[in-house]
Amino acid sequence: GAVVSQHPSWVICKSGTSVKIECRSLDFQATTMFWYRQFPKQSLMLMATSNEGSKATYEQGVEKDKFLINHASLTLSTLTVTSAHPEDSSFYICSARLGRGGNTEAFFGQGTRLTVV
Amino acid sequence: AQSVTQPDIHITVSEGASLELRCNYSYGATPYLFWYVQSPGQGLQLLLKYFSGDTLVQGIKGFEAEFKRSQSSFNLRKPSVHWSDAAEYFCAVGVNTGNQFYFGTGTSLTVIP
Repeated sequence: GAVVSQHPSWVICKSGTSVKIECRSLDFQATTMFWYRQFPKQSLMLMATSNEGSKATYEQGVEKDKFLINHASLTLSTLTVTSAHPEDSSFYICSARLGRGGNTEAFFGQGTRLTVV
Repeated sequence: AQSVTQPDIHITVSEGASLELRCNYSYGATPYLFWYVQSPGQGLQLLLKYFSGDTLVQGIKGFEAEFKRSQSSFNLRKPSVHWSDAAEYFCAVGVNTGNQFYFGTGTSLTVIP
């Protein structure tokens, strides 16, 4: 299957600093990528849809100024957590789909564990 | 609105026993259904998917799932569980609008020797 690589796997940062997480589709082009947040023992919460060459679409309640998404190429989307605070500590997962439509499989990155101290 | 329900938050089974994880969905049109597995601290891996046709689908690692339209269900089964199957399992519905997935809350599986 297609491969989605996420980097870094884990990161610890100080409160007030910014952290960038990269999501790459290694063997296919992804016009759309998705960013999820997962709290312990909970499901994935869609944060935003990252669209190549245009602005991301954020879900209700997600602060677009805090979670900056850039999809500069067909194989790379980045999520930057700005001015991070301890409550931003979480597991962040990206995914990409091979095409459009509900019947296209989504491939997931391995996730990034963010800890803000 | 679309939704996915996994009624069982946590299930414990003995190794070698059979397993069934429940999934119910709410969606106005024909759903595209998926089961994913997540090991601790890892991303999600696709186990199987249903789009159309035969309602019993086979997946990887010996898993299968059956789509029952009348019950709006897509339950995951495995005849004999292995210790390595311990993980978090997510049911998901794919929809055309918005090109996104809707995930269930997940079922945590513990396998005891």
